[in-house]
Order: sequence, then C-alpha cells, then structure tokens
Amino acid sequence: SQTIHQWPATLVQPVGSPLSLECTVEGTSNPNLYWYRQAAGRGLQLLFYSVGIGQISSEVPQNLSASRPQDRQFILSSKKLLLSDSGFYLCAWSVLGRAQFFGPGTRLTVL
Amino acid sequence: AQSVTQPDIHITVSEGASLELRCNYSYGATPYLFWYVQSPGQGLQLLLKYFSGDTLVQGIKGFEAEFKRSQSSFNLRKPSVHWSDAAEYFCAVGALRSNYQLIWGAGTKLIIKP
Repeated sequence: SQTIHQWPATLVQPVGSPLSLECTVEGTSNPNLYWYRQAAGRGLQLLFYSVGIGQISSEVPQNLSASRPQDRQFILSSKKLLLSDSGFYLCAWSVLGRAQFFGPGTRLTVL
Repeated sequence: AQSVTQPDIHITVSEGASLELRCNYSYGATPYLFWYVQSPGQGLQLLLKYFSGDTLVQGIKGFEAEFKRSQSSFNLRKPSVHWSDAAEYFCAVGALRSNYQLIWGAGTKLIIKP
C-alpha cells in the first residue's frame, strides 16, 4: 500500500532563516506530487506541483521554491522565511488524477 | 471561471442527527468530484469520489454524496452523525484536462452538539 511521509511535523523558525521541508512517497511510481499551504482558518492553497523528476510548476509567486530530486521525493525550500510563510504545509500525491492523498502536514511558525 | 463553493462556513448538528454539507461547482469540463475530511492538526483524508456512473456514491465512515449535474452540486450526507465526525470538510473538483489539479472549496467546519 502507498504511504506518504512529511517531516518535520512542527517547526519554529526565525524570520530570515532558511527552510527545507521534505516529503516522500512509498508504494507507487511516477506520482504527481503537490505542495499546499493552509493558513490558519483558511482553505488550501496550491503552491507547487510536479509531474516528474525535475519538473516543477509554480502556482503562486513567492519566496518559496520546490524541487523533486527523485521520483518519490518532493522538497519545499526557502532561502529567507517571512512572517507570512507561517502555516500548515501539506504534501500530496496522485496517480492518473484519480484522487490526491495527503501527508500528515508540517506546522511552520515563523517568529 | 472554475470554482467550488461551500456556502456554509460552519454547521452545528446534534449528535445522532442527520447531516448534509453543500458543495456547488462551476466547471467547464466533465468533473471529477471529491470530498475530504480534516481533523485539527491533521492531513486531509479522502471520504469519497465521483468519476462516472452511479451518481450516488458511498464513502468511508458512513458518508455518501450525490452528484446532480443539473444543479452542479455534490452534497455530502450522513444519516446519523457521531461526535467523532467533528472536523472540517472540503469539496474539490478536478478533470483530466486540468492536469489533475483540483479546485478546492473553502471548507465547512462541522460542530457536533452533545
């Protein structure tokens, strides 16, 4: 069966510090991968999606970036965090668009 | 423009009562439709999905949803809610030609009264 992992689960970072969040998927090949952000009390905002290694599409211009160095690994990064980057970050995968399956999320607080 | 509307931000229901959460969409292509549930501090869990065929779909945890093309709706129902159903519920729409991206509703928070 397929599983998706995200780490860390929680993170507190100062403004201006770098960020690296990792997501890995097991039990499937060549998935579509997604990064979402959920601000407090808000819905889901798609940040990036990837249909293959090295293929990244950005949905929202901002100081975040994403990379997909391996088929089942998706990384969200920032060189300098802003206060507005605080939120709940969710990684998801899908195959053939049938549905998206989500990881447990990372709670990021930027102080 | 493509959009998904969940008109109710909050809904309060007594335990044991029936539930209906509304979802309306505006989408040019034949839609795929989904309902997800999110407990506080957790990721989203897929409750059910509709791709084609029978317009009444059954999901996990006793939920069902009915696709009504004429009304552009995909409402979620449960005949008797349990306290553990308290969570936020999201409706989403996708299609083949959208490269499998989903359009998300803003969510409905379900509160259960004892």
